[in-house]
Amino acid sequence: GQQLNQSPQSMFIQEGEDVSMNCTSSSIFNTWLWYKQDPGEGPVLLIALYKAGELTSNGRLTAQFGITRKDSFLNISASIPSDVGIYFCAGQLRGGNEKLTFGTGTRLTIIP
Amino acid sequence: EPEVTQTPSHQVTQMGQEVILRCVPISNHLYFYWYRQILGQKVEFLVSFYNNEISEKSEIFDDQFSVERPDGSNFTLKIRSTKLEDSAMYFCASKPFRTGGRETQYFGPGTRLLVL
Repeated sequence: GQQLNQSPQSMFIQEGEDVSMNCTSSSIFNTWLWYKQDPGEGPVLLIALYKAGELTSNGRLTAQFGITRKDSFLNISASIPSDVGIYFCAGQLRGGNEKLTFGTGTRLTIIP
Repeated sequence: EPEVTQTPSHQVTQMGQEVILRCVPISNHLYFYWYRQILGQKVEFLVSFYNNEISEKSEIFDDQFSVERPDGSNFTLKIRSTKLEDSAMYFCASKPFRTGGRETQYFGPGTRLLVL
């Protein structure tokens, strides 16, 4: 099956630092999504990318859909304490009811 | 803002017992999903549901699992005879009808199932 690998697995940063994480796939996706999950809660959509090469921002978050359609990255600028959590990428093939294939997650911890 | 709701938030059950997890998708959504997340692992797709039938299911979704939309608002996941390895967080998600291909899935808060 399709596999999405995220790196790094975990990050320990200081408040105010920029963060970068990426996701690579063994196969092509038509849509890339980035979700954040807080402990004990469901994934919350951060950014959706629909076209190869697309670069999209949402506040301090920026994500890009790789040209090969097999990768994506997410950057967070000037991190703040509420950025703590697990970030998941997810890929989707085009179609009306296509499932999401989730990545392995990047756990972000902010050191006080 | 409308959201997906799930009940119960936590459920503890004995191995071999049946459980039903309930979800109320966002009201105008037409596609429904169940995912699960074993503690510390990634979110995994279980099943998708559209037009009152299963659209796709994963290999995890074996004969012990079933889904139903018993009325116009609820969407349920039943596990007939729970096993220890069914312990996980179960997420329901819903999605509106396609609007130019830019539809996204909205997740509920999850039900944490513990099988003893």
